[in-house]
Amino acid sequence: AQSVTQPDIHITVSEGASLELRCNYSYGATPYLFWYVQSPGQGLQLLLKYFSGDTLVQGIKGFEAEFKRSQSSFNLRKPSVHWSDAAEYFCAVGESGSYIPTFGRGTSLIVHP
Amino acid sequence: KAGVTQTPRYLIKTRGQQVTLSCSPISGHRSVSWYQQTPGQGLQFLFEYFSETQRNKGNFPGRFSGRQFSNSRSEMNVSTLELGDSALYLCASSAQGQGELFFGEGSRLTVL
Repeated sequence: AQSVTQPDIHITVSEGASLELRCNYSYGATPYLFWYVQSPGQGLQLLLKYFSGDTLVQGIKGFEAEFKRSQSSFNLRKPSVHWSDAAEYFCAVGESGSYIPTFGRGTSLIVHP
Repeated sequence: KAGVTQTPRYLIKTRGQQVTLSCSPISGHRSVSWYQQTPGQGLQFLFEYFSETQRNKGNFPGRFSGRQFSNSRSEMNVSTLELGDSALYLCASSAQGQGELFFGEGSRLTVL
């Protein structure tokens, strides 16, 4: 069975600082990997996805993530955080033929001015 | 292309009542999933429908049910509401079997 671990429940950064949110997954084959963002009271929005190919993927809002098979990780990064990035971030893993991804518990990002 | 639409956005019910939530997926998407989100339990999968058939079901009591219509629109129903059912209910649609989901803004249910 698949599983996703987001080890950080909360992350606090200063505006303008760099950001890295961690995600580790457990899955036997090559996974499909996703990062979603949720602003307060809203639904989830897809930030980026990895299906195959280049292990560094670019997403919306200046985010990127790197797939590292050897570490079973798919960490999300942003070089300079904006106050509007404060939100909940979810990592998810899917598999071919399944419409039901497995979500991590989420990481809440707090941005200090 | 219109996104996933959920109605109503907010609703307040009392214990023992029932509620029906509606979801219109993105045009062409045949898979619709429902999730419950609470601060304590996070994002929990309720069920998934594809072409009017429930294909997957999460670990929720029978009070939670759903259906999907021929136009892919979906409804979920919660009967005999309990205080613990207060949550944000999210609907998501999908076109590909790889786990990429498109979410609606959710229906915020408060049970008093």
